[in-house]
Amino acid sequence: EAQVTQNPRYLITVTGKKLTVTCSQNMNHEYMSWYRQDPGLGLRQIYYSMNVEVTDKGDVPEGYKVSRKEKRNFPLILESPSPNQTSLYFCASSLWPGQGEEAFFGQGTRLTVV
Amino acid sequence: DQQVKQNSPSLSVQEGRISILNCDYTNSMFDYFLWYKKYPAEGPTFLISISSIKDKNEDGRFTVFLNKSAKHLSLHIVPSQPGDSAVYFCAASVQGAQKLVFGQGTRLTINP
Repeated sequence: EAQVTQNPRYLITVTGKKLTVTCSQNMNHEYMSWYRQDPGLGLRQIYYSMNVEVTDKGDVPEGYKVSRKEKRNFPLILESPSPNQTSLYFCASSLWPGQGEEAFFGQGTRLTVV
Repeated sequence: DQQVKQNSPSLSVQEGRISILNCDYTNSMFDYFLWYKKYPAEGPTFLISISSIKDKNEDGRFTVFLNKSAKHLSLHIVPSQPGDSAVYFCAASVQGAQKLVFGQGTRLTINP
């Protein structure tokens, strides 16, 4: 079954405590990305990766890091989380967004930073 | 600058009737438009797409219309069913680009 798996689903943390949200896909997709969803703002892209060791900033990259050491995994790292990073996060993978290919999304990670 | 806009945060429709969700965009370079559906506690799932060279695409109860001159697209659901209650996002991409640009979403509620 085609799947994008994120962990954890829910996370409450304190300001400044480093955390990692994992993302894994089993479709051999080259393209992966991270989005955050906030009320009234829709889905905004944080970072994306076109292949192993190739990553780039999206629209809202401040405060986030990513890595792509393997094709299937694309973790999101918050080195020093702040309350304004409280949000719902989605990882997605696809063949190539610039060709109208559909993206497959994970189930989401609801992060609360206190 | 919001390049893709869904100006209706919510829409309520009676079961069996037509649901029409609207989306406007500002970037005339967009080549592909997609609709995603999202249930609570789940990730968005792909619903239907359309290329800019077409003005209509149909898939069962779902039809997407594209009006390039007005920079407007709409999703029609006929007939609407209770399972269609969800948040709908429209998204757009430019040929060769590395991103999808999403609208704010519209929450559709189908009333029995």
